[in-house]
Amino acid sequence: EVQLVQSGAEVKKPGTTVKISCKVSGYTFTDYYIHWVQQAPGKGLEWMGLVDPEDGETIYAEKFQGRVTITADTSTDTAYMELSSLRSEDTAVYYCATLTTGFDYWGQGTLVTVSS
Amino acid sequence: AIQLTQSPSSLSASVGDRVTITCRASQGISSALAWYQQKPGKAPKLLIYDASSLESGVPSRFSGSGSGTDFTLTISSLQPEDFATYYCHQFDSYNYTFGQGTKLEIK
Repeated sequence: EVQLVQSGAEVKKPGTTVKISCKVSGYTFTDYYIHWVQQAPGKGLEWMGLVDPEDGETIYAEKFQGRVTITADTSTDTAYMELSSLRSEDTAVYYCATLTTGFDYWGQGTLVTVSS
Repeated sequence: AIQLTQSPSSLSASVGDRVTITCRASQGISSALAWYQQKPGKAPKLLIYDASSLESGVPSRFSGSGSGTDFTLTISSLQPEDFATYYCHQFDSYNYTFGQGTKLEIK
């Protein structure tokens, strides 16, 4: 069974950094990109970027460029999303997902709350 | 980045109704479009991929059409479990984007 299991909820202060993990199982980690998607409360889905676990190459959405770092650790089959310089607008649920035709799986989501 | 504009943003309908949601891309994306359904507190669920292919396990009342810049998602006969928010998603370029969503509510 394919599973993407994310780390737990976080509460962060403005200006700090959060790092969320996404551990995959049930398939070969290097076969599919891992994407990250942001969803602010009551808002839509926003694509943040992706990592190719095979070689670590990344592509980021322009909106998050410079603040987001997505990595993949093939020794533990885990992807990470790090978002820096947090502000209140970053309060959201963050999802990891494969977003691939014929292989579309999502994590359960991680709530990040940014509050002073 | 390619922009996706969905219409309407919200829609009220009754069980048994036929419903159509549209998604317009700011530039041509061939058939590189998917439709997702999302219910509150849950991750999105894939319904349609490659503009018109039904994901395995998705009821046949859902269908998709279109190519280039104009796409539609149709639900032929609304069921109670279909009331949710729907998103289109393009994967033509590596700068993936989602539409802003269409909230389907019970009339």
